Amino acid sequence: GENVEQHPSTLSVQEGDSAVIKCTYSDSASNYFPWYKQELGKGPQLIIDIRSNVGEKKDQRIAVTLNKTAKHFSLHITETQPEDSAVYFCAANLDYKLSFGAGTTVTVRA
Amino acid sequence: GAVVSQHPSWVICKSGTSVKIECRSLDFQATTMFWYRQFPKQSLMLMATSNEGSKATYEQGVEKDKFLINHASLTLSTLTVTSAHPEDSSFYICSASLPGRDEQFFGPGTRLTVL
Repeated sequence: GENVEQHPSTLSVQEGDSAVIKCTYSDSASNYFPWYKQELGKGPQLIIDIRSNVGEKKDQRIAVTLNKTAKHFSLHITETQPEDSAVYFCAANLDYKLSFGAGTTVTVRA
Repeated sequence: GAVVSQHPSWVICKSGTSVKIECRSLDFQATTMFWYRQFPKQSLMLMATSNEGSKATYEQGVEKDKFLINHASLTLSTLTVTSAHPEDSSFYICSASLPGRDEQFFGPGTRLTVL
């Protein structure tokens, strides 16, 4: 099956700075890579995703990059705000199943 | 669109009893629904995949007789935790996908506490 590794496990940034979370995956057949934001006691919320035929995607302050050759993808959040504080999960899709990374707890300091 | 609901949002039960959790796709028909379990400060672990009208496919290590899944319609899947024990206490989350699509839409989760 697919194995997804995510780093760092915790990330503390000053408000207004950028945050970067990196993930690697093991199976080159994976073709869809979503990122989720999870707040305490709630279900995951999709914030951005990217498919294997695209190298980069941006949505306002959030961007995702994908390097298929190296089998890694990254989430970039610019101009961080306190409401960006949450746990972020990357995932990789293989055969319509999602495998999740371990999660990154992001804390934005005011 | 693509809203998934779960009921109940939280439940407390006594050890040895059974608990049923419902997952509904509110504005679309979901041929496939997924059930995940999430322990505190951990990631989501897929428990099983269910397709409408057929038996669920369980992940390795998940007891099918303990976690009964029924997907009787295109908008409803249920997870029944039978003979629940304290170690079954967890956050259970369902998701649903459209036919042939890989995006999954997640429900808000159900917090199960077994005393």
